[in-house]
Amino acid sequence: EADIYQTPRYLVIGTGKKITLECSQTMGHDKMYWYQQDPGMELHLIHYSYGVNSTEKGDLSSESTVSRIRTEHFPLTLESARPSHTSQYLCASNPPGEGTDTQYFGPGTRLTVL
Amino acid sequence: RKEVEQDPGPFNVPEGATVAFNCTYSNSASQSFFWYRQDCRKEPKLLMSVYSSGNEDGRFTAQLNRASQYISLLIRDSKLSDSATYLCVVFPGNQFYFGTGTSLTVIP
Repeated sequence: EADIYQTPRYLVIGTGKKITLECSQTMGHDKMYWYQQDPGMELHLIHYSYGVNSTEKGDLSSESTVSRIRTEHFPLTLESARPSHTSQYLCASNPPGEGTDTQYFGPGTRLTVL
Repeated sequence: RKEVEQDPGPFNVPEGATVAFNCTYSNSASQSFFWYRQDCRKEPKLLMSVYSSGNEDGRFTAQLNRASQYISLLIRDSKLSDSATYLCVVFPGNQFYFGTGTSLTVIP
């Protein structure tokens, strides 16, 4: 069982608010990812990181930022929430090295922006 | 064109049936392939990796055809607990690409 945690699990917030979604893993994984998933749709990569002080943008990164100051922590920030941000946000990690491409997912944060 | 294409279903099958899911991918340089299972409103969880020679894990068999860029998942003797969405995942080396998933409901 993967030790990857996300908080909050559910969040309802008004338009224009700044929010930070937390993700932590205790497995010492270097690689971490943020995905957005709408019901019945595929996961879309928002940001990823291959280690401390390393962050890269994915397909849907334009309205959010991430930081990776510690290996175990990879928070996602929306500077100004909009109704179009309503979705499920999934954090994932996988260990370094060849043959270790398996991703472990956190339980997700279900965000609703009113 | 999407990186990964799956038939969304839904597949409704009786208990004990055998069901097969297919998936195609567009990047011929893809290196790693997986099937994940996602229950309703839950996170995806790894079901099995897919190896070039094909692999089996109990009632589940995965096959890879690199020439046709095609991946399959076969579930034998379906159980009620197999009801879920099955995601095909491809890793060309830079990031993971997910299919939209195939929905399976196993009926008593």
